[in-house]
Parts: sequence; C-alpha cells; structure tokens
Amino acid sequence: GENVEQHPSTLSVQEGDSAVIKCTYSDSASNYFPWYKQELGKRPQLIIDIRSNVGEKKDQRIAVTLNKTAKHFSLHITETQPEDSAVYFCAASNPGSRLTFGEGTQLTVNP
Amino acid sequence: DGGITQSPKYLFRKEGQNVTLSCEQNLNHDAMYWYRQDPGQGLRLIYYSQIVNDFQKGDIAEGYSVSREKKESFPLTVTSAQKNPTAFYLCATQRSYNEKLFFGSGTQLSVL
Repeated sequence: GENVEQHPSTLSVQEGDSAVIKCTYSDSASNYFPWYKQELGKRPQLIIDIRSNVGEKKDQRIAVTLNKTAKHFSLHITETQPEDSAVYFCAASNPGSRLTFGEGTQLTVNP
Repeated sequence: DGGITQSPKYLFRKEGQNVTLSCEQNLNHDAMYWYRQDPGQGLRLIYYSQIVNDFQKGDIAEGYSVSREKKESFPLTVTSAQKNPTAFYLCATQRSYNEKLFFGSGTQLSVL
C-alpha cells in the first residue's frame, strides 16, 4: 500500500517569512495530493490539492509543487501570518485506493 | 463541513461500557471514514466504507465496530475491548476515491 512521509514534524518561522513542508510517497500510481490544515481542537480542512497532470498550483499565499519522478510534493506558504499556525497534513491516493495521510507538521508563526 | 453531523461533541465512557458515536451526512457521498486522533498526533484510520452494507478495517480497528445500513449514516461503537479510548474521533466523507475528504467537527471521548 501507499506510504507517505512528511517533514519536518515541527516548523517555527517568523511572521512574514516563508514556510515549506515536504512529503514523499511510495506508490507511483498515486495521482491526487491534497493538503489539510487543522487548527487546535478543530476539524482538518482542505487548503489546496493537486493532481499529477500539473506540476504546480497556487492559491494566493499558498502553493503546492509536485515532482512525479522523485515522488515528492511540497507545500509553500509565503508571507506567513500568526493565523497560519496550525498542523498541516499531506496525503496521497490513486483512483483505486483511499487517501493515505502523512504524520503532520506543527507550524508555528512567531509575531 | 455543514453536510456532516457528528454527535455528541463530548462523550464520557465508564469502564466496561460500550459507547456509540454518530456520523450522519447529507452530501450523498459514497465513502465514509472514521479516524482517531490522539493529542499532538496524526490521523489514524479505524474503519471505512465505500458502499452500503460493506466496510473495511483500517489500521487500528481492534476494539471498535461499525455498521453501514444507510448511505447517510456510519456509526462507530467503541467497545469495552478498547482499553485506551480517550481521543478525538473524526468522521469524514468522500464522493469517491481520489477526491477530497470532508470532515465532521469531531467527538471528544474521555474515560471516567
């Protein structure tokens, strides 16, 4: 089955800096890669997703890049703000399987 | 998400007791999932169901049971065999494989 590894497990940045979270996956058939943000005590919510037919997708300050050859994808947050502080989860799936999640990254943005 | 209702928000279990967590959806999604989340930890899959009257074990199914008698409902029972049930339980739905998951607001289960 699919295995998703996520790094780092914790990340601390200064407000206004960029943050990058990286994930690797094992199943070359995987073609859907969502990212979820979970604030303390709340449900995870989808913030951006990408399919394997594109290499990059942006939504305002958030972007995701995908390298199919290397089997890794990354979340980039620019101009970080305190409200970006949360746990971020990556995930991967293929058409015949359920989503497999990474272990999560605790992002802290210091004012 | 507004189309997924988890209840109750908080639940307390006495030793030796079975408790049932409710998850109802009006999104007409085929797939439903139950995840367990311990403090500061990731999402661990308990059970999932792709269609009515069928479900599969996830990574940590021991001590839990589910049913899927209706498309809209996927209740989770935490049995007395689950010795460490204190956790945040999340229900999720998905229109089909390879699409995004929608999560309910969760149930916090604690042991008295």
